[in-house]
Amino acid sequence: EAGVAQSPRYKIIEKRQSVAFWCNPISGHATLYWYQQILGQGPKLLIQFQNNGVVDDSQLPKDRFSAERLKGVDSTLKIQPAKLEDSAVYLCASSLRNTYEQYFGPGTRLTVT
Amino acid sequence: QKEVEQNSGPLSVPEGAIASLNCTYSDRVSQSFFWYRQYSGKSPELIMSIYSNGDKEDGRFTAQLNKASQYVSLLIRDSQPSDSATYLCAVSPNDYKLSFGAGTTVTVRA
Repeated sequence: EAGVAQSPRYKIIEKRQSVAFWCNPISGHATLYWYQQILGQGPKLLIQFQNNGVVDDSQLPKDRFSAERLKGVDSTLKIQPAKLEDSAVYLCASSLRNTYEQYFGPGTRLTVT
Repeated sequence: QKEVEQNSGPLSVPEGAIASLNCTYSDRVSQSFFWYRQYSGKSPELIMSIYSNGDKEDGRFTAQLNKASQYVSLLIRDSQPSDSATYLCAVSPNDYKLSFGAGTTVTVRA
């Protein structure tokens, strides 16, 4: 069974630029999560999707971050404009509906200079 | 106040010893508790889940939960160098969303 796929794996941008991350969850997983993990901290949930609907985006900085999950499969997370403090690993995870076991992708390491 | 707190590391143990990791949480409605292992540069991997008070054993890992004290722990018996990683405690109030602690880094000395 293929795992959660993410791309790119690494991205370096300058502040005020925009960036987008892509995630393809495990086939059949209805729930998709985006997390931000800053160095030395645990993952922080940014947004949770159930199929193509948003369940929780309370911790998403909506002035600069946006996410979508069209057709209930792939998802993209966008940052525009980026700030220095956005430097982190962005993790995508997926799970079956109403289960706790989340499977994480390899993450995208973002460096904002 | 942090929602999930873990004992600060790093924790260094000799090979074959027991590594003891602690986690406290502030939200009393939390009902589900998890331990994730994260190797350096890799993504988190679920290793244990516990939902009721008491102990739960899985191989060399034992999770312990005390809801009254809002405390959950992880014991790693017969520690191996391959156990060297950061261990993340995560809690959920039963809505399938996880709140993670900052993690405790464990180093097993050969």
